[in-house]
Amino acid sequence: QSALTQPRSVSGSPGQSVTISCTGISSDVGGYNYVSWYQHHPGKAPRLMIYDFSKRPSGVPDRFAGSKSGNTASLTISGLQAEDEADYYCCSYAGRYTYVFATGTKVTVL
Amino acid sequence: EVQLVESGGDLVQPGRSLRLSCAASGFTFDAYAMHWVRQAPGKGLEWVSGLTWNSGVTGYADSVKGRFTISRDNAKNSLYLQMNSLRAEDTALYYCAKADSGDAFDFWGQGTMVTVSS
Repeated sequence: QSALTQPRSVSGSPGQSVTISCTGISSDVGGYNYVSWYQHHPGKAPRLMIYDFSKRPSGVPDRFAGSKSGNTASLTISGLQAEDEADYYCCSYAGRYTYVFATGTKVTVL
Repeated sequence: EVQLVESGGDLVQPGRSLRLSCAASGFTFDAYAMHWVRQAPGKGLEWVSGLTWNSGVTGYADSVKGRFTISRDNAKNSLYLQMNSLRAEDTALYYCAKADSGDAFDFWGQGTMVTVSS
């Protein structure tokens, strides 16, 4: 159960797009379509942004989009806004009713 | 409105035990899997444990297997985490999280802090 790998930080100006990668292995990200993404503002509860690698829960802006190819999932935030500044984590099902989170990415809006 | 309220966090000495609770409301508790996720100070999120709606299947992170036990009481709309043989590295904010109908965590509590220190 090694943590999935994400870049430590990404940044962009308002209106720009940023993409966060989430790399695992064949027994987690590569083996299942159960990748989810969470937005976490410090001091608040994490918020589900994407589930089943590309589906958006109701209430999540369509600026957030998820994708997956092989052992890597990605989250793209288009039209970056100030309120998007937060930590983002991907999570994957890893078999035998276990899950693994990634190391997390800090998104900074310049 | 879905609400998850964790309690039971405390300062404990290494080797001691602690039991966390999560009170759920605003949804049909016995229809969903539930999980515990933690965040150590300055670190990222770490999945700890989960169990299905009827407790038929449970899962644990390697880091806690054999020391922690997850359980639920559907009659009381409550989730629990019994933590034994606590270590300094178990120090973290522990979140209770509701699973959606699949494998994502769609609602989270505000967390309860566990500090393991002598």
